[in-house]
Amino acid sequence: EVQLVESGGGLVQPGRSLKLSCAASGFTFSNYYMAWVRQAPKKGLEWVATISTSGSRTYYPDSVKGRFTISRDNAKSSLYLQMNSLKSEDTATYYCARVGGSYIYYFDYWGQGVMVTVSS
Amino acid sequence: DIQMTQSPTSLAASVGESVTITCLASEDIYGSLVWYQQKPGKSPQLLIYGATILEDGIPSRFSGSGSDTQYSLKINSLQPEDFASYYCQNGLSTPRTFGGGTKLELK
Repeated sequence: EVQLVESGGGLVQPGRSLKLSCAASGFTFSNYYMAWVRQAPKKGLEWVATISTSGSRTYYPDSVKGRFTISRDNAKSSLYLQMNSLKSEDTATYYCARVGGSYIYYFDYWGQGVMVTVSS
Repeated sequence: DIQMTQSPTSLAASVGESVTITCLASEDIYGSLVWYQQKPGKSPQLLIYGATILEDGIPSRFSGSGSDTQYSLKINSLQPEDFASYYCQNGLSTPRTFGGGTKLELK
């Protein structure tokens, strides 16, 4: 059974940093692209970052580019999101997700999510 | 960036009815359209990818259609567990954009 378990969320002041982790199990982690998707309170879904199988390629939307860094440790089946210079608009539930498909890009498994609150 | 516009934003229906949710892409996404369901307090769940392909384990009362820029999700014979929010997603290109969501509520 595929499982994705996020951790590391919490309350952080604007301008500070936070690192999220995602522990994966139930599949061969190193074979899949992985991603982070977030959801602000009572809002829709927003893709945040994607990383290739080896970690050599990463992708971000403009809203977080230069502030967030996605990384992975295939030996530990773990995914990370380093968030720097946090803003109030980064307040959201952050989901770790597995990228399914190749030509068509979709998220086929999601973690339970971890809440990040950016506030003074 | 490809913009994804869903309609309606909310919808009220009764158990047993059929409903259709639409998603309009700002440019041709060549059938690379994905649908998710999200129940309150839960993570999103993949329903359909490639506009029409049902994910394993998803009931056949869910179906997807469309091409180019216009896509639809149809739910036949609504069940109590179907009342949730639904999101479409651009599966073609980066950035991976989502529609704003449709909340399906019990009438």
